[in-house]
Amino acid sequence: GESVGLHLPTLSVQEGDNSIINCAYSNSASDYFIWYKQESGKGPQFIIDIRSNMDKRQGQRVTVLLNKTVKHLSLQIAATQPGDSAVYFCAENLSYNTDKLIFGTGTRLQVFP
Amino acid sequence: AAGVIQSPRHLIKEKRETATLKCYPIPRHDTVYWYQQGPGQDPQFLISFYEKMQSDKGSIPDRFSAQQFSDYHSELNMSSLELGDSALYFCASSPRGAGGLQETQYFGPGTRLLVL
Repeated sequence: GESVGLHLPTLSVQEGDNSIINCAYSNSASDYFIWYKQESGKGPQFIIDIRSNMDKRQGQRVTVLLNKTVKHLSLQIAATQPGDSAVYFCAENLSYNTDKLIFGTGTRLQVFP
Repeated sequence: AAGVIQSPRHLIKEKRETATLKCYPIPRHDTVYWYQQGPGQDPQFLISFYEKMQSDKGSIPDRFSAQQFSDYHSELNMSSLELGDSALYFCASSPRGAGGLQETQYFGPGTRLLVL
């Protein structure tokens, strides 16, 4: 099924610490996953993606981990900065059957100085 | 780098009126997607187009229609507007993946629609 983020979980971290944002996805057949960052009043901004044939992918200060066994996705942000404060969404796609991205419940990241 | 352009950015309409939202994809992106995001909610897929043809359809009301033009821009037409249509409407674009493989969808800044 699809998730609707009625209650937004919040993660508060101190500037310079590492952040880990978790996501449980819904469809075991999904084979493409994306993390988006959304600031207030703006569109989702692409951070990093991963396909199901991988279990880890690294970008600049970010790492995505995929555990298909338990349908879990995580986003790790190293040395979190105030500019990282936003709502983070994971999204899944079935690739071959649909264009549709199914978004998970967002997590609000708050970074304190 | 060029991004997805949406217009207008803000729109206020009365109930039962119509609205047209426009989306200009990133250059060389031939696929566009429309999403609706209610307050405090995650984006919900409405519809997508590739090469002017509807590619996929989600939870789009029958009162809404959309199309893609030969220059790849897309328009979302909304009729008989209801209070519940108040939301952020996002357009995203991507190149078409080879063999049906999904490519990254890049989102525009959105149109904030308020129905009074």
